[in-house]
Amino acid sequence: DAMVIQNPRYQVTQFGKPVTLSCSQTLNHNVMYWYQQKSSQAPKLLFHYYDKDFNNEADTPDNFQSRRPNTSFCFLDIRSPGLGDAAMYLCATSRDYSWAGPYEQYFGPGTRLTVT
Amino acid sequence: QKEVEQNSGPLSVPEGAIASLNCTYSDRGSQSFFWYRQYSGKSPELIMSIYSNGDKEDGRFTAQLNKASQYVSLLIRDSQPSDSATYLCAVNGNTNAGKSTFGDGTTLTVKP
Repeated sequence: DAMVIQNPRYQVTQFGKPVTLSCSQTLNHNVMYWYQQKSSQAPKLLFHYYDKDFNNEADTPDNFQSRRPNTSFCFLDIRSPGLGDAAMYLCATSRDYSWAGPYEQYFGPGTRLTVT
Repeated sequence: QKEVEQNSGPLSVPEGAIASLNCTYSDRGSQSFFWYRQYSGKSPELIMSIYSNGDKEDGRFTAQLNKASQYVSLLIRDSQPSDSATYLCAVNGNTNAGKSTFGDGTTLTVKP
């Protein structure tokens, strides 16, 4: 089955220790998104890639970086995690988007990040 | 005012009843509307998408869109305990191509 895969599902890191979360997709979608979701809150978009074009959100801290080496994979790097970065990190894909917005988004299972 | 607002919830309905979830949005140029279901500790799962005014039915789910009034709703007929989850409304406007704006969600509990 075509799907969006995230690894690891659970990640514990120490305050200030860099961490990388990965996402892969077999849907061959053009667009890949990274969201941060804290308890009882809406998913917050960090950035997205349209193919190789990187689109950062204005309020995404510099501490968060991303890489998309090919169509299938996308990585989220947190350079110096703080306690406030503990959250669920969601990767999503979308086939494409136009002036009307993206098509449906398909989410991976998420990575639960704990910062100690 | 938030761009996308949902019923504050939580919403509790008995098994077999109709659950009604509402969402309003501020961008009058919005074109695409989505409902996602999110179980506790899990990721969002697409339930319905709707693009035109009116109703769209899929099994026990009906999405309703009224662009003039800037609201979209989700009806769940014959609610089951397995429908207990948080439902997220997502809206795409004509000023933010490529991005969805999510509401904070409404938590639904279906009691047996």
